[in-house]
Amino acid sequence: AQSVTQLDSQVPVFEEAPVELRCNYSSSVSVYLFWYVQYPNQGLQLLLKYLSGSTLVKGINGFEAEFNKSQTSFHLRKPSVHISDTAEYFCAVIYVSGGYQKVTFGTGTKLQVIP
Amino acid sequence: DGGITQSPKYLFRKEGQNVTLSCEQNLNHDAMYWYRQDPGQGLRLIYYSQIVNDFQKGDIAEGYSVSREKKESFPLTVTSAQKNPTAFYLCASSIGGQAGETQYFGPGTRLLVL
Repeated sequence: AQSVTQLDSQVPVFEEAPVELRCNYSSSVSVYLFWYVQYPNQGLQLLLKYLSGSTLVKGINGFEAEFNKSQTSFHLRKPSVHISDTAEYFCAVIYVSGGYQKVTFGTGTKLQVIP
Repeated sequence: DGGITQSPKYLFRKEGQNVTLSCEQNLNHDAMYWYRQDPGQGLRLIYYSQIVNDFQKGDIAEGYSVSREKKESFPLTVTSAQKNPTAFYLCASSIGGQAGETQYFGPGTRLLVL
């Protein structure tokens, strides 16, 4: 069965420090990978996605992620966080096999930026 | 401005009552989706529709029903058969429902049981 794991439910980090939010997935088929951000009581907004090509993907708000096929990971990074980055971050994987596709979301990581 | 609207923001359901959550988009997208979000569980797909008058069950369709009579509208009914409906419900849309497309989310409806 396909699964997406975000091991860290909460990540506290000081303002202007770097951060990495981890995402691992299980798969024996092709995948598309996404990171979304959710601010309190709002919908999700796309940060970035990997479909093919370069494994390093740059997104909005200074975030980037690297697709590592051998480690089945798609970790999200930012070199210097701001207070406004405080939110919950979701990794999502779309599994594709023939005409079949299935989306699976991780359980989310709450990023708390400390002033 | 183009986007997705969901109403109401908060909805209360009494025991044995059916309630309907509204989702409207003016992005001219063919595909629309309903997700349920529970604390610590991420998002789970309830139903999705790739074209008018057609929709498919997601992972947790039991106790829910949908209709897609118009391209811009995809209402979700939470029936009395859904025994644990308290959750945050998110509607999304994408251009055509293909795997690599970005999904655009509405602001959500929080459903509470009285």
